[in-house]
Amino acid sequence: EDQVTQSPEALRLQEGESSSLNCSYTVSGLRGLFWYRQDPGKGPEFLFTLYSAGEEKEKERLKATLTKKESFLHITAPKPEDSATYLCAVQGAGGTSYGKLTFGQGTILTVHP
Amino acid sequence: NAGVTQTPKFQVLKTGQSMTLQCAQDMNHNSMYWYRQDPGMGLRLIYYSASEGTTDKGEVPNGYNVSRLNKREFSLRLESAAPSQTSVYFCASSRLLYNEQFFGPGTRLTVL
Repeated sequence: EDQVTQSPEALRLQEGESSSLNCSYTVSGLRGLFWYRQDPGKGPEFLFTLYSAGEEKEKERLKATLTKKESFLHITAPKPEDSATYLCAVQGAGGTSYGKLTFGQGTILTVHP
Repeated sequence: NAGVTQTPKFQVLKTGQSMTLQCAQDMNHNSMYWYRQDPGMGLRLIYYSASEGTTDKGEVPNGYNVSRLNKREFSLRLESAAPSQTSVYFCASSRLLYNEQFFGPGTRLTVL
């Protein structure tokens, strides 16, 4: 069974203080690892897809990286508007995966001005 | 281009009542999904439709039915609501089954 564990559960940063969020996973044949951002009362917003170890993707202050066992979401010089819950999900290639996303519990990021 | 839309935004039901949650996408996607999100449980897949004319069970299908009305619309029906179905329900769509999924704004359902 595919599993995703995100850490920390919550992270408080000062504006400009860079840090990283971790996503550890076990999956039967990784088809893709996805990062989403979710604001309170809203649906998850797609950020990145990573397909293979060593791959990196960047968007503004966010950079996602992937190894064979985990992914990191690096946040450089965060701003208060980066405050949100960040969700990691994996999609396995196993016979019963049928494109299902297995989500982690999320990391709640708060950036103080 | 609205993306994925869901109606209603909020709903309160009594135990035993029925209702249908509506979802529509305007991105010409082939695959559509229904998830529920509960505190401490994360997002879990209820049903999905790989393409128009097909539907299949996800992780937590009990108590729900779905209809893929056409390529754009995918509805979720609760035949006899139970308090355990109190949750936030999200519809999502993707171009194909293994592509990134795009989510709607959610329906917040309370069953008393």
